[in-house]
Amino acid sequence: DTGVSQDPRHKITKRGQNVTFRCDPISEHNRLYWYRQTLGQGPEFLTYFQNEAQLEKSRLLSDRFSAERPKGSFSTLEIQRTEQGDSAMYLCASSLTANEKLFFGSGTQLSVL
Amino acid sequence: GESVGLHLPTLSVQEGDNSIINCAYSNSASDYFIWYKQESGKGPQFIIDIRSNMDKRQGQRVTVLLNKTVKHLSLQIAATQPGDSAVYFCAEKNIGDYKLSFGAGTTVTVRA
Repeated sequence: DTGVSQDPRHKITKRGQNVTFRCDPISEHNRLYWYRQTLGQGPEFLTYFQNEAQLEKSRLLSDRFSAERPKGSFSTLEIQRTEQGDSAMYLCASSLTANEKLFFGSGTQLSVL
Repeated sequence: GESVGLHLPTLSVQEGDNSIINCAYSNSASDYFIWYKQESGKGPQFIIDIRSNMDKRQGQRVTVLLNKTVKHLSLQIAATQPGDSAVYFCAEKNIGDYKLSFGAGTTVTVRA
């Protein structure tokens, strides 16, 4: 499978715990994006990487959220001290250039109890 | 802020009929538009895209129309099939920006 891969597919955690999600983009894509999607809504942009550089962060990305892409390949999104409002689908996408379509993974569904 | 939105949250279509899904956008600086299909439990899947220097683009069973005068985008699906049942999102991107901005989506249900 050469698409965008995300792990885990589902995560259930208790409020206050930390969680980390992983994204493996399409191998030749150097642009990687994280989005968040709540039920009935379209995806909302969180952050963007070009290679290993994080070039843009949404104001939705509070201090409890951190994303990395250390070697310009896979990326991780960590949420510290999770809150119930963090419950959502976290989507990763990649693209070859900034002006082309994004390819999305299947997402990580987070439920904070 | 400016946003992309869809006219109708739901659309019910008879199998075999053509579907038209509409989308209005407010940012005149947007130069790239894209339609995604999302099935339950899956990530958005690319359908078709169009740049602002075009007003129509065709794919397999799908056509996207762009009317920049009224800032309107539509997706036409020919001979709708049960597998077309999904949520459809339009998204737009500003010149020089990195991110796509999505609307709320239209849920299409195909009746047998």
